[in-house]
Amino acid sequence: GAVVSQHPSRVICKSGTSVKIECRSLDFQATTMFWYRQFPKQSLMLMATSNEGSKATYEQGVEKDKFLINHASLTLSTLTVTSAHPEDSSFYICSANGATNTEAFFGQGTRLTVV
Amino acid sequence: ELKVEQNPLFLSMQEGKNYTIYCNYSTTSDRLYWYRQDPGKSLESLFVLLSNGAVKQEGRLMASLDTKARLSTLHITAAVHDLSATYFCAVAPYNNNDMRFGAGTRLTVKP
Repeated sequence: GAVVSQHPSRVICKSGTSVKIECRSLDFQATTMFWYRQFPKQSLMLMATSNEGSKATYEQGVEKDKFLINHASLTLSTLTVTSAHPEDSSFYICSANGATNTEAFFGQGTRLTVV
Repeated sequence: ELKVEQNPLFLSMQEGKNYTIYCNYSTTSDRLYWYRQDPGKSLESLFVLLSNGAVKQEGRLMASLDTKARLSTLHITAAVHDLSATYFCAVAPYNNNDMRFGAGTRLTVKP
């Protein structure tokens, strides 16, 4: 199957700093990628849909100025958590649909800890 | 708004036993997914179900889809310890690719 690579896998940052997470489709082009957040022992919650060459679509309750998404190419989407706070600590996962658009491929996830 | 309900949320089984996890969703959909997640890891794709009546099997797991009832099941046959994980169903609505996830079923298989 297609491969989605997410980097970094773990990051620890200080409160008030910004963190960038990358999501790459390695062997296919993805016009749309998705960003999810997962708190401990909970399900995945869709944060935003990242569209290549246009603005991301954010889910209700997700601050677009805090979670900046850039989808500058067909193989790369980035999520920047700005002015991070401890409550932003979570597991962030990206996904992209394959060529047939019926299957989603997930990145390895990024565990963000804000101290 | 698409809602996905999964039950049970917690399931403790003995090895060798059978059980079924249920996934109900609220609106019309043409894609139903089952994933496995191990602690600290991302999602592993198990099944993609695309049509009414679809049934897929892999090892001790079998998934089915009834689009009329808006119900999917994940059946576990003769459970083994290696199946211990959290299982999620997810649904993508028509003409939309963003998936909504169920709450997850945390499965523990005991010897």
